[in-house]
Amino acid sequence: DGGITQSPKYLFRKEGQNVTLSCEQNLNHDAMYWYRQDPGQGLRLIYYSQIVNDFQKGDIAEGYSVSREKKESFPLTVTSAQKNPTAFYLCASSIGRPAGELFFGEGSRLTVL
Amino acid sequence: AQTVTQSQPEMSVQEAETVTLSCTYDTSESDYYLFWYKQPPSRQMILVIRQEAYKQQNATENRFSVNFQKAAKSFSLKISDSQLGDAAMYFCAYGGAGNMLTFGGGTRLMVKP
Repeated sequence: DGGITQSPKYLFRKEGQNVTLSCEQNLNHDAMYWYRQDPGQGLRLIYYSQIVNDFQKGDIAEGYSVSREKKESFPLTVTSAQKNPTAFYLCASSIGRPAGELFFGEGSRLTVL
Repeated sequence: AQTVTQSQPEMSVQEAETVTLSCTYDTSESDYYLFWYKQPPSRQMILVIRQEAYKQQNATENRFSVNFQKAAKSFSLKISDSQLGDAAMYFCAYGGAGNMLTFGGGTRLMVKP
C-alpha cells in the first residue's frame, strides 16, 4: 500500500545526543515536510523539501537538520543544539505546488531523559 | 505570513447532534486552499475536507460540511449527526502559493453518548 512510514515510533534520548528520525514515502510525491507538535498545540513546520537535494527552513528549524538525497526519503536529525526536543514529530508529503493536501505518517514521539 | 486561528480550544457535542468548529485566517493571497484535518487519539492526521478558495460552493463530505466566507476569511466545519468516532483534535490549515500548510492551534472535540 502507498503511504508514509516513520520510524521509530518511540525514541528516548539522553541530553547531548543527536538522534535521527526516518521518513520514507512511496507515493512518488515531490514535496516532503517535517512538523513538530507539542501537547495540546498545533503543528509547527521545521523543514520542507520541494525536490531532491533541496530543502528550506520552516518556522522552527534551529537545532534540527535534514537531507533529501532520494525522492523517497527525508530524514530529520534532532541535534544537541535543540533546547527542548521532547515532542511528537510528524512527517508529511504532497504532490507539490500549489500547497495541496498533505499525507501524514503516524508520527514519532521523542523523549529526552 | 499567513496565520490560522481556531478560537475554541475545546468543544463538546451530544451524540447525533450537530456541532460547528470555527476557523479564521489571515492572508493577502487571492488563490489558496483550506483544509480540515482530524487527529484521533492514534495521532494519525486524516484529511476531513478541503476547499479551493476560487470555488464559491461550500465543500461537503458526507456528514462534514464547511461554511467558507472568503471576504470574512472564515472557514468553519460543521459535523452533523455526531458519532463517538468523531471525538478527536481538529485542525484547520491554510495552503497558499508557498509549498507548505499553516495550521491552527486545534480544537478538541468531545462527543457525549
